[in-house]
Amino acid sequence: AQSVTQLDSHVSVSEGTPVLLRCNYSSSYSPSLFWYVQHPNKGLQLLLKYTSAATLVKGINGFEAEFKKSETSFHLTKPSAHMSDAAEYFCVVSDRTYKYIFGTGTRLKVLA
Amino acid sequence: EPEVTQTPSHQVTQMGQEVILRCVPISNHLYFYWYRQILGQKVEFLVSFYNNEISEKSEIFDDQFSVERPDGSNFTLKIRSTKLEDSAMYFCASGGVFTDTQYFGPGTRLTVL
Repeated sequence: AQSVTQLDSHVSVSEGTPVLLRCNYSSSYSPSLFWYVQHPNKGLQLLLKYTSAATLVKGINGFEAEFKKSETSFHLTKPSAHMSDAAEYFCVVSDRTYKYIFGTGTRLKVLA
Repeated sequence: EPEVTQTPSHQVTQMGQEVILRCVPISNHLYFYWYRQILGQKVEFLVSFYNNEISEKSEIFDDQFSVERPDGSNFTLKIRSTKLEDSAMYFCASGGVFTDTQYFGPGTRLTVL
């Protein structure tokens, strides 16, 4: 069965410093992996998606994620945090029937 | 840009009452989903729907739940007799053909008193 583990429930960074949100997955086959962001009182917005075409995936708003099969990881990074990045981030794996399995989420706080 | 919409944004109901949560998926999408997130917990899959029938449902989706696509645009989730533990944020999502990417609505927060 597929699963994802988000290693940090809360991450705080200063504005202008790098962001790292960690995600490990478990899958019996080559998975589709996603990162979604949820701003307060908003829906879940797709940041980026991995589908095996390239291990480094670029998303919206300067975010990217690297798929590392040997480490079963799909960490989300951004070189320089903005105040507007403060939100909750979800790592997601899609199973063979297309349903999503969510991680528990990481709340990102950006300090001025 | 097309988006998934959900109504109402908040719903308060008494235990035992029926509620219907409404969703308008993206117009050319054929796959529809409901998820829920109980406060402080992870987002959980409830049900998927394709070609006017349920494709898959989770253990949570018992006989108290039903889904329907009553016309060409709406997708609804009905809870027949709400329980306190049904209080959660409910998300609708839709997806196109030959892709596993889903697009989510803003959610309906259901509070059962």
